[in-house]
Amino acid sequence: KNQVEQSPQSLIILEGKNCTLQCNYTVSPFSNLRWYKQDTGRGPVSLTIMTFSENTKSNGRYTATLDADTKQSSLHITASQLSDSASYICVVSARRGGADGLTFGKGTHLIIQP
Amino acid sequence: DSGVTQTPKHLITATGQRVTLRCSPRSGDLSVYWYQQSLDQGLQFLIQYYNGEERAKGNILERFSAQQFPDLHSELNLSSLELGDSALYFCASSETSGGVYEQYFGPGTRLTVT
Repeated sequence: KNQVEQSPQSLIILEGKNCTLQCNYTVSPFSNLRWYKQDTGRGPVSLTIMTFSENTKSNGRYTATLDADTKQSSLHITASQLSDSASYICVVSARRGGADGLTFGKGTHLIIQP
Repeated sequence: DSGVTQTPKHLITATGQRVTLRCSPRSGDLSVYWYQQSLDQGLQFLIQYYNGEERAKGNILERFSAQQFPDLHSELNLSSLELGDSALYFCASSETSGGVYEQYFGPGTRLTVT
């Protein structure tokens, strides 16, 4: 069964600090992995999409890594800001095109404290 | 602003009733997706339409149905509502359906069933 596990479930860090969120998956055959940021009560916003051949991708202070061999991904946030407080969702797409091929993680709830 | 619009923003109704949620995709996007997100739960894929045709089905209850119209807007109909249907309902759109495609999420409709 395709699964996406994210850790930690929640995380509290001080403003200005760095943090790393983890995503492990068992989706097969793998097509791509996405990270989304979701502010409370709002729609998710895409941060990065990585395919099998990409092992790192950056979007400003967000850097995602992908190890397709170990089926692990991480999202590193540098110099955190209060606006980074949100849920971060890892989504893995199986190589069959339609949205039924997407497997969603439950997300990591990140709180940045001043 | 993702360019995806959803109406209404909030909806409060009683058990047993029927409601319709509406979504307008980004200009040029042919594919529309519906997701349900209950409190503290991950996003659950419900159904996808591509250019008016159903493309993929997820965990959508028989009491729920959707359609995509010729102008590409979509409606999600929820009937015989139960307390457990209270959730955020998101619509997303994308240009294509296969391969590596970006999904753009709307702001969501918050449904409360009392």
